[in-house]
Amino acid sequence: GAGVSQSPSNKVTEKGKDVELRCDPISGHTALYWYRQSLGQGLEFLIYFQGNSAPDKSGLPSDRFSAERTGGSVSTLTIQRTQQEDSAVYLCASSPHGTDPNTGELFFGEGSRLTVL
Amino acid sequence: GESVGLHLPTLSVQEGDNSIINCAYSNSASDYFIWYKQESGKGPQFIIDIRSNMDKRQGQRVTVLLNKTVKHLSLQIAATQPGDSAVYFCAEPKGGGTSYGKLTFGQGTILTVHP
Repeated sequence: GAGVSQSPSNKVTEKGKDVELRCDPISGHTALYWYRQSLGQGLEFLIYFQGNSAPDKSGLPSDRFSAERTGGSVSTLTIQRTQQEDSAVYLCASSPHGTDPNTGELFFGEGSRLTVL
Repeated sequence: GESVGLHLPTLSVQEGDNSIINCAYSNSASDYFIWYKQESGKGPQFIIDIRSNMDKRQGQRVTVLLNKTVKHLSLQIAATQPGDSAVYFCAEPKGGGTSYGKLTFGQGTILTVHP
């Protein structure tokens, strides 16, 4: 497809289970971002990948959260031992730019809605 | 610390009117700002951005104004259409990062356009 693809679109899980969320960025985009959107916290930055550089993990809320990006393309966000406060929409975005030019123009997917019971 | 916030959480207008959505920021060192639109069930969509060396920037039916003196940002939408109904977010780069894609978002303004 032409846009950022995320799966699953909806995920319901039980507290304590692990979940994996997948993101397929737009082909050729070197930068990939994960954000989280919840009623209480709004849109929050989680993690950023740029090319082969080490990811910027400064937004991850706890060590239960991790992400990887394989081959500079697909990314997986993993949440271990899920808690109810992890319930949110997890949004992935990609960009053809790194820091040259530096721009905040991101292309977002439609998100994965996670509900932890 | 830095923060981006909105004056009005909701805005209701008639089709054809002009809309103005406001945003305040606290970090006087901020040098880049961006507006996103989010329709229900979709991810945010880039609208327009502005760098701090500019006071105004125009796009198609949209204009962003930046007043650095009072740390205020606004998005103007001309001839608002029902398809403009969405949540609008202002955002700025998070401190300590090198990428402008690492953003701090405001809380959002809900724009409702009545036919």
